[in-house]
Amino acid sequence: NAGVTQTPKFRVLKTGQSMTLLCAQDMNHEYMYWYRQDPGMGLRLIHYSVGEGTTAKGEVPDGYNVSRLKKQNFLLGLESAAPSQTSVYFCASRRAEYEKLFFGSGTQLSVL
Amino acid sequence: EDKVVQSPLSLVVHEGDTVTLNCSYEVTNFRSLLWYKQEKKAPTFLFMLTSSGIEKKSGRLSSILDKKELFSILNITATQTGDSAVYLCAVDNTDKLIFGTGTRLQVFP
Repeated sequence: NAGVTQTPKFRVLKTGQSMTLLCAQDMNHEYMYWYRQDPGMGLRLIHYSVGEGTTAKGEVPDGYNVSRLKKQNFLLGLESAAPSQTSVYFCASRRAEYEKLFFGSGTQLSVL
Repeated sequence: EDKVVQSPLSLVVHEGDTVTLNCSYEVTNFRSLLWYKQEKKAPTFLFMLTSSGIEKKSGRLSSILDKKELFSILNITATQTGDSAVYLCAVDNTDKLIFGTGTRLQVFP
């Protein structure tokens, strides 16, 4: 029972490079989320999805894009990485409103 | 603007002490308040609170919500070193959760 799986777990990028973070869940959850966590800032919502084919902006969406082509996958893209995007990224999912979030183990991203 | 504020930001105690963590919120569409514990990696779920005045309890941890005053507290009694973690409070605002900055708890032997 994998739950929420994030790949990769670690990545180092140079400024201007692009990359995609993959989140996969095997719980048939409708809602999926991407958060970033920085020291002293808690978890800040980047983008989220309330179902296959839908996406919406969170608190800090600039510099990121997302896609939810399949219900089980939620992709987070950085088109041109910047040092300010150095952070730990967490994916989370839940079955529906009123329910708790299940988190992936995180991706440590460093942009040099 | 929706916000969730936790206090204190950091707390250092000795084993056996009792601690109280605070979470206050201002959100437009409150559904529930959740507490998570984060050790090294992913946050793990502790409690979900939806009604005022009803205490949720799990072992040495307990939590209560006050929807009139817009806050919640998380109590940990007889703390142990394994309680050392960041405790996150989040408010469910219709289709998303808004998190506070967390309280870092360190428990020393």
